[in-house]
Amino acid sequence: AQTVTQSQPEMSVQEAETVTLSCTYDTSESNYYLFWYKQPPSRQMILVIRQEAYKQQNATENRFSVNFQKAAKSFSLKISDSQLGDTAMYFCAFMKHAPVAITGANNLFFGTGTRLTVIP
Amino acid sequence: EADIYQTPRYLVIGTGKKITLECSQTMGHDKMYWYQQDPGMELHLIHYSYGVNSTEKGDLSSESTVSRIRTEHFPLTLESARPSHTSQYLCASSDQKRGLWTPRNTIYFGEGSWLTVV
Repeated sequence: AQTVTQSQPEMSVQEAETVTLSCTYDTSESNYYLFWYKQPPSRQMILVIRQEAYKQQNATENRFSVNFQKAAKSFSLKISDSQLGDTAMYFCAFMKHAPVAITGANNLFFGTGTRLTVIP
Repeated sequence: EADIYQTPRYLVIGTGKKITLECSQTMGHDKMYWYQQDPGMELHLIHYSYGVNSTEKGDLSSESTVSRIRTEHFPLTLESARPSHTSQYLCASSDQKRGLWTPRNTIYFGEGSWLTVV
């Protein structure tokens, strides 16, 4: 079974500063995907960034980047130049990769989330 | 924002009532999901579907049931609500085809339905 751990229930950061959210996971799979999702208050959860485990290069999406350490099973999210609109719950998620259509494959396992507050 | 809608957003009902949470998406996605999320806790997959007439139970056992008669609708029903069912229920869909995931696929979420059973 896969587990995803986010050890920081709450974090805060000053506007324009950089913050890093941590995520670790446990799996015996060699090929999988990792995701960070953002859930603003009372709004839809949206995908922030994704990483394919077979890619060594860390993913980057504008101000968001990850530090993927496969051996350590660590997948942290760095938000640069934090903005007020970044205030949200952030969820780390894991998906096992299945090369064929197997029932139960390709479903997301989520961590408990980190509540990030950007302070003006 | 994604075209996936959930109703009602907020619902308070009495114990023993039957309720249906509606979820619809206009993206033509085959795969749909229901997640349950207690406050401050992780999301747990309770149901998913690969398409019309396909439904599967997720990782977390749930007394709810689902149906998939039309591609765009994936309603969740509780026949007899109990206080233990109080939670947020999130519906989602993905653009994966025939159960296969590629790096370009994305899962889209609705805004959630907050259910309180008193």
